[in-house]
This record gives sequence, C-alpha cells and structure tokens, in this order.
Amino acid sequence: EAQVTQNPRYLITVTGKKLTVTCSQNMNHEYMSWYRQDPGLGLRQIYYSMNVEVTDKGDVPEGYKVSRKEKRNFPLILESPSPNQTSLYFCASSSFGSSGNTIYFGEGSWLTVV
Amino acid sequence: GENVEQHPSTLSVQEGDSAVIKCTYSDSASNYFPWYKQELGKGPQLIIDIRSNVGEKKDQRIAVTLNKTAKHFSLHITETQPEDSAVYFCAASPHASGGSYIPTFGRGTSLIVHP
Repeated sequence: EAQVTQNPRYLITVTGKKLTVTCSQNMNHEYMSWYRQDPGLGLRQIYYSMNVEVTDKGDVPEGYKVSRKEKRNFPLILESPSPNQTSLYFCASSSFGSSGNTIYFGEGSWLTVV
Repeated sequence: GENVEQHPSTLSVQEGDSAVIKCTYSDSASNYFPWYKQELGKGPQLIIDIRSNVGEKKDQRIAVTLNKTAKHFSLHITETQPEDSAVYFCAASPHASGGSYIPTFGRGTSLIVHP
C-alpha cells in the first residue's frame, strides 16, 4: 500500500530537549516536504527536498533541520524545541511524473512543547 | 511567489444543500489546481484537480471550475452529506517536470454539514 509514515504520532516534550520526527515513504518519490498546521494559518511549509542530498527552506524553517540521506526518508529535527513549535506536523511526498503533482500526506504528528 | 487566497474560512450548510469554496491565485504561471480534503485526525488527501487547459471537471457530487483570466477556481459540492464535513484546501502550482514545482496552499475551509 502506498503510504507516507511518520513517527511519533503524538509527543509531549520539554523546552530544549532535542527531538526527531521520522518520515518514510514507499512510493520512490523524489519530492518530500514537511508542513506545520496551525489554526487559521493552514499548511505552512517548513522544508522540502527535491531529491537525495537536496534540501531547501520553505516558508517557516526557523528552529528546524532536515536531512535527506536516502530517497525514502526525510526526518525533521528540532534541535532545541520551544513552545511556539507546538503544532500538528505533516510529512508529504510526491513524484514529478506526468500523472500530476499529487501530494501524499502522512497521518500527522501532534507535538506539544512545554 | 505564488499567493493563494481561500474563502470562506468556515462554511456551515444543511445536509442536502450545496457548498462552494473559492480560491484566487496570483501567479499566471500556475497551471495545476488540486483540492485536498482533510478529515478529522488525518492528513489531507487529494479529491479532485484541474489543469489550466480545462474549465470544469466533475466527479460525482464534486466539481471544480477554473477561470484562468480572473485567476480563480472553485470547488462545488452538491447534495452535501455529513461525511463531507472536513477541512478543504485548495492549491496552485506549475505542472510537474522540474523548475518551480512547489504547490502553494490556501489556508483551508472548515465545512460543517448539519444532518
């Protein structure tokens, strides 16, 4: 089954404690991305990657890091989380194929920073 | 860059009524316009899309219209049902094959269908 899998789904952490949210896709997609969703603000892109070893900042990259060492994985790293990073996070992937730009989203990761 | 405005932010309808969500975009280079539905506790999923060479597309109770001259596109849901209750996102992007591929999303519309 084609899917984007992210973990953990729910996490409560303390300010300053480094954490990583993993993301994996099984569709051999070149493009992967992280979004955060906050009430009234919709989906805001944090970072994206066009392919292995190629990453770029999105609209709200401050406080986040990413890496793309393998095509299927795109972890999101919060080196020193702060309460304003409390949010719902989505990983997503897509292909550049002629069938279109359908973006496949993971189920989301609820992160609370206290 | 592209800017996508989506309205309304909340839409409440009675079961059986129609619902319309509207989006405008700014970049004339955009030529692919998908709509995503996000059910409670889940990630957004593509429900319908339209490309710039088509003015309207239907899939059962949902339809999307595109006016490239005015730079706006709309989602129409007829005979709404409670299971249509969700957050809907519009997006605009250039078509695939490299370049500035990244889609820009609207802020979402929370649709509530009352039984």
